[in-house]
Amino acid sequence: DGGITQSPKYLFRKEGQNVTLSCEQNLNHDAMYWYRQDPGQGLRLIYYSQIVNDFQKGDIAEGYSVSREKKESFPLTVTSAQKNPTAFYLCASSIRGTGGYTGELFFGEGSRLTVL
Amino acid sequence: QKEVEQDPGPLSVPEGAIVSLNCTYSNSAFQYFMWYRQYSRKGPELLMYTYSSGNKEDGRFTAQVDKSSKYISLFIRDSQPSDSATYLCAITLGGATNKLIFGTGTLLAVQP
Repeated sequence: DGGITQSPKYLFRKEGQNVTLSCEQNLNHDAMYWYRQDPGQGLRLIYYSQIVNDFQKGDIAEGYSVSREKKESFPLTVTSAQKNPTAFYLCASSIRGTGGYTGELFFGEGSRLTVL
Repeated sequence: QKEVEQDPGPLSVPEGAIVSLNCTYSNSAFQYFMWYRQYSRKGPELLMYTYSSGNKEDGRFTAQVDKSSKYISLFIRDSQPSDSATYLCAITLGGATNKLIFGTGTLLAVQP
């Protein structure tokens, strides 16, 4: 079945440690995204990538880094510089139609990171 | 002013009720309007998508966009306990990028 796989589902880390969250898709989508979800704040865009080897900062990129070496993969590293990393992280992908993007995102199941 | 405002709820209704969920937005340039449904501890899934103004119906769900008042709505008829979830509105310009702006979500509970 086609879809987006995020791992791990749950992750606990000590303060000051870097953490990498995995996101893999087999939908053959060009664009991939990372969102952060906090209670009462909706989804906020961290980074996005529309093609391999290229990515752009979203609204809250500070303290995060990404790479896009393969079309299928878009890992997110939460660095020790991120002041408040405990959150639910969602990866998504989308396909660009002939008329451009239309707002449809396909999400993974999410990764819940807790920093102790 | 936030670009998208959504009543966070929570909203609790009896089974069979009609549910109305609403969002307002500030920038008239937005062209695509979406409703995503998110079950607890899961990723959101696209429920309804509308381009520009008008209504769109899919089974028990109707999405409505009024660009003149910058107001978007989702109506659920004959609500079921399986509709219990968080509903997120989202807007985007579309075209060259797919940067969505999400509302904060409304938590809906349908009581059997």
